[in-house]
Amino acid sequence: EAQVTQNPRYLITVTGKKLTVTCSQNMNHEYMSWYRQDPGLGLRQIYYSMNVEVTDKGDVPEGYKVSRKEKRNFPLILESPSPNQTSLYFCASSLETKRELHFGNGTRLTVT
Amino acid sequence: QKEVEQDPGPLSVPEGAIVSLNCTYSNSAFQYFMWYRQYSRKGPELLMYTYSSGNKEDGRFTAQVDKSSKYISLFIRDSQPSDSATYLCAMSAPGGFKTIFGAGTRLFVKA
Repeated sequence: EAQVTQNPRYLITVTGKKLTVTCSQNMNHEYMSWYRQDPGLGLRQIYYSMNVEVTDKGDVPEGYKVSRKEKRNFPLILESPSPNQTSLYFCASSLETKRELHFGNGTRLTVT
Repeated sequence: QKEVEQDPGPLSVPEGAIVSLNCTYSNSAFQYFMWYRQYSRKGPELLMYTYSSGNKEDGRFTAQVDKSSKYISLFIRDSQPSDSATYLCAMSAPGGFKTIFGAGTRLFVKA
């Protein structure tokens, strides 16, 4: 089954404790992206990747890092999480940048 | 001003009603227009995809793009309780690497 898999689904952590949210897709898509979804603000792009080893900032990159060492994986790293990063995070992939985005089921992160 | 504006609702309608969902945008470079549907505790799924202006129909769903007014719409005919979800408009420009999303409209269809 074609899918984007995110883990974990739920995560509660404390300020400053490094964490990684994993994302994997099995569709051989070149383009992958991370979004955060907050009430009233919709989906805002954090980082995106056009291909292996090619990443760039989205609209809200502060406090986040990404890497793309393999085509299928695009982890999101929070080196020192803060409460304002409490949000619902989605990973997405697509065959090319302007076509259908396939989303994972989200990771709900709470930073206390 | 946000690049894409969408009324968050909620919008509550009886089963069988015609639903109209709308977005306005400010960037005249947008050429690709999409509607995503998001059920609770799930990721968004693409519902409709339109390039440039015009209408597109798929079953009970019709997407309209009016580039002169910078206004897009999604119509749902004969709405069903299973249509209850959040609907997000999205758009992107040629040569760009970003898809910009609206805030989403929450729709409730009552049986």
